[in-house]
Amino acid sequence: GAGVSQSPSNKVTEKGKDVELRCDPISGHTALYWYRQSLGQGLEFLIYFQGNSAPDKSGLPSDRFSAERTGGSVSTLTIQRTQQEDSAVYLCASSADYEQYFGPGTRLTVT
Amino acid sequence: RKEVEQDPGPFNVPEGATVAFNCTYSNSASQSFFWYRQDCRKEPKLLMSVYSSGNEDGRFTAQLNRASQYISLLIRDSKLSDSATYLCVVNLSGGSYIPTFGRGTSLIVHP
Repeated sequence: GAGVSQSPSNKVTEKGKDVELRCDPISGHTALYWYRQSLGQGLEFLIYFQGNSAPDKSGLPSDRFSAERTGGSVSTLTIQRTQQEDSAVYLCASSADYEQYFGPGTRLTVT
Repeated sequence: RKEVEQDPGPFNVPEGATVAFNCTYSNSASQSFFWYRQDCRKEPKLLMSVYSSGNEDGRFTAQLNRASQYISLLIRDSKLSDSATYLCVVNLSGGSYIPTFGRGTSLIVHP
């Protein structure tokens, strides 16, 4: 079946601009996660959605970051006023239990 | 002590060798454990879950040692295609759906 998809695959933006990253999880998966990974670094948890519950935003690095999940399916991660340190690969994962399945990621470059 | 700790390596082994990685975790209440594989510039992919009784999948064996708070991954008869970074993933708190990823162990299998 279809896996997790993310768009765009690459995004280059100027410092100060807003960006939106999209994630389509595996159908039926109630849990959705956003992570980011800087070059050569480990995964940094950003936010977690589970069904209709309030999201766990404990990993968001600043108030410039926000995410929503509409209809329990598609999710959008928004970064406002991007900074150069936001450059990273943003990964989305979905899960039906504890096992996570990742999308291919969005490589964000802030110039 | 880091919550989930791995030797970053790299482990440099010849084809056909047996190699083992360990991963230590800080919270004795941790319930769920996984090994993921991440190829260069790719997303992590689930390799195997780690059960209390240990589990085996072909050339790969995973074990859990609760007393010493570590999990292990053994790869037998290494292939060139096994070259990747192996991520240890632990749900640190019982019932938590937010996993903690280790920084990964790099494996290089050479001819």
